[in-house]
Amino acid sequence: ETGVTQTPRHLVMGMTNKKSLKCEQHLGHNAMYWYKQSAKKPLELMFVYSLEERVENNSVPSRFSPECPNSSHLFLHLHTLQPEDSALYLCASSQDLARLASETQYFGPGTRLLVL
Amino acid sequence: DAKTTQPNSMESNEEEPVHLPCNHSTISGTDYIHWYRQLPSQGPEYVIHGLTSNVNNRMASLAIAEDRKSSTLILHRATLRDAAVYYCILRDAANTGNQFYFGTGTSLTVIP
Repeated sequence: ETGVTQTPRHLVMGMTNKKSLKCEQHLGHNAMYWYKQSAKKPLELMFVYSLEERVENNSVPSRFSPECPNSSHLFLHLHTLQPEDSALYLCASSQDLARLASETQYFGPGTRLLVL
Repeated sequence: DAKTTQPNSMESNEEEPVHLPCNHSTISGTDYIHWYRQLPSQGPEYVIHGLTSNVNNRMASLAIAEDRKSSTLILHRATLRDAAVYYCILRDAANTGNQFYFGTGTSLTVIP
């Protein structure tokens, strides 16, 4: 138990559906992250939030829309996804932005997404 | 961030120590060495990190070579729960973005 929870753990959706992934951290951290992990590929950073403000968006398609209503919650809204978007979506948090080389990130268990 | 090299896979017998190596010959003086692991169907989990001196915590020990060009993660007594992919990551204090570059890591198999 890392203190970062994600729901749902598994999600199957069609290309025309709209769904949302939820992340909650119970660590009192100020920074939260969305990562994508595809099979046989390293983790890809998607979005970074610090104190509820988005500070990084790594060329992610607009069909992925993040929302950070407060420093404990992070959402990823999904719409009109493609089959190649099927992956494990991981949420992480850190005390402050991971620009500090000694900063550690704490990951949730991920949401396994399948787009049909 | 500087590059790390790890073996693709290793095996260990249960209840024996495991030494997971990582080479980082281009490490700079300000790079921190981080280790994470990812158990099957879970997100990565922080294990340990250090800069120059050896480090110990409840999960593992980190032994850093004197020239810092390599390091070893030591699990003192492997259990079946330690079967995971272990990632060695360098984080440069002088030039660090927000992302941790996980690479492909070492897949550890623990044999009962």
